[in-house]
Amino acid sequence: EAAVTQSPRSKVAVTGGKVTLSCHQTNNHDYMYWYRQDTGHGLRLIHYSYVADSTEKGDIPDGYKASRPSQENFSLILELASLSQTAVYFCASRRTGPNTEVFFGKGTRLTVV
Amino acid sequence: GDSVTQTEGPVTVSESESLIINCTYSATSIAYPNLFWYVRYPGEGLQLLLKVITAGQKGSSRGFEATYNKETTSFHLQKASVQESDSAVYYCALGESNYNVLYFGSGTKLTVEP
Repeated sequence: EAAVTQSPRSKVAVTGGKVTLSCHQTNNHDYMYWYRQDTGHGLRLIHYSYVADSTEKGDIPDGYKASRPSQENFSLILELASLSQTAVYFCASRRTGPNTEVFFGKGTRLTVV
Repeated sequence: GDSVTQTEGPVTVSESESLIINCTYSATSIAYPNLFWYVRYPGEGLQLLLKVITAGQKGSSRGFEATYNKETTSFHLQKASVQESDSAVYYCALGESNYNVLYFGSGTKLTVEP
């Protein structure tokens, strides 16, 4: 079973502060993703990566940076956290190829105050 | 654009009752949409429940079924007899074969009462 581990599981951050969310997967998957979910809304893609040292913008990248230093690790960085970034963040991974399954982490609840 | 709309939650049903969670989609930039149902149990990440990649086909898993209807752009989730262990949040999603982006509905929280 593919494993995607997110840390921390929850965090309270101060407006204007820097936040880093981490994601680690142990299944040699090429693709990794960061989604956010706001209450009452579906998950939306922030950034993704298909190879180490490269990241791509998703649908809502503004205010976020991503880093893929290795195949296993994918971080989401909020340089200047804002109230509007309060949400639950999900990391996911999948292997290359059509119709491959996407595996999700348990989510990180971020509250910006 | 590409989007998914599903039954607003929360939904509460009694054990052994039938269930339907509606899902409709709009796929304007995806030539051959793939459709999914994910489930998130308390304290867990999203798990794939079932997927269908061909219009007209039905997917099934754990007693749940969903049929990909291209004419009505729907992918409703059904179960004939729910159990308490089915209590979770269910997400309908749309994607294409490379899955660079999955478009999710807002999720439907299901509570099954004993």
